[in-house]
Amino acid sequence: EDKVVQSPLSLVVHEGDTVTLNCSYEVTNFRSLLWYKQEKKAPTFLFMLTSSGIEKKSGRLSSILDKKELFSILNITATQTGDSAIYLCAVPRPYYGNKLVFGAGTILRVKS
Amino acid sequence: DTGVSQDPRHKITKRGQNVTFRCDPISEHNRLYWYRQTLGQGPEFLTYFQNEAQLEKSRLLSDRFSAERPKGSFSTLEIQRTEQGDSAMYLCASSPTTLRGQETQYFGPGTRLLVL
Repeated sequence: EDKVVQSPLSLVVHEGDTVTLNCSYEVTNFRSLLWYKQEKKAPTFLFMLTSSGIEKKSGRLSSILDKKELFSILNITATQTGDSAIYLCAVPRPYYGNKLVFGAGTILRVKS
Repeated sequence: DTGVSQDPRHKITKRGQNVTFRCDPISEHNRLYWYRQTLGQGPEFLTYFQNEAQLEKSRLLSDRFSAERPKGSFSTLEIQRTEQGDSAMYLCASSPTTLRGQETQYFGPGTRLLVL
């Protein structure tokens, strides 16, 4: 059965720290992996990764995919309290309408 | 605002009552998805539509759940005879369909259901 596993489940850091969030997956017919940030409501899209070794970057956030080892990481540098959220990793199942298989998420809390 | 919208944002109901949620996707997105999220878990797939056709339903979707997308635009999710275990956040997402098959799904704000 397809699955996505995220680690750690929760993390508490101080402002200015750098964090690395992990996502491993076992999904047949893999095509892409997505990262979302969820605050109190809907997940908001961060990145889509399709190719190994190519880093996607947006401000202090960056992410990379390793298709050989079946994992992705999300890095956040110089963390701010506004980064506190649940970070979700998801993989679409392409022959099933691209429905998303989500991990349980990593709860990040940034203390000032 | 051209994002995905959902209504209501919050719903409190008594066990045994029926509830209906609405989702308006991003216009021109022909795929629409429903997910359910409980505390401490990632969203779980419930069902999806390609235009007006409902193409897949999860086994999580019992007979008490029904979803429609009658004109291929907005969708409704109805839960009949609600149970306390139905308490969750119900999320709607939409995406376009491309030949590459690598579309991003954009989520609405969700409807938080509490069944007393």
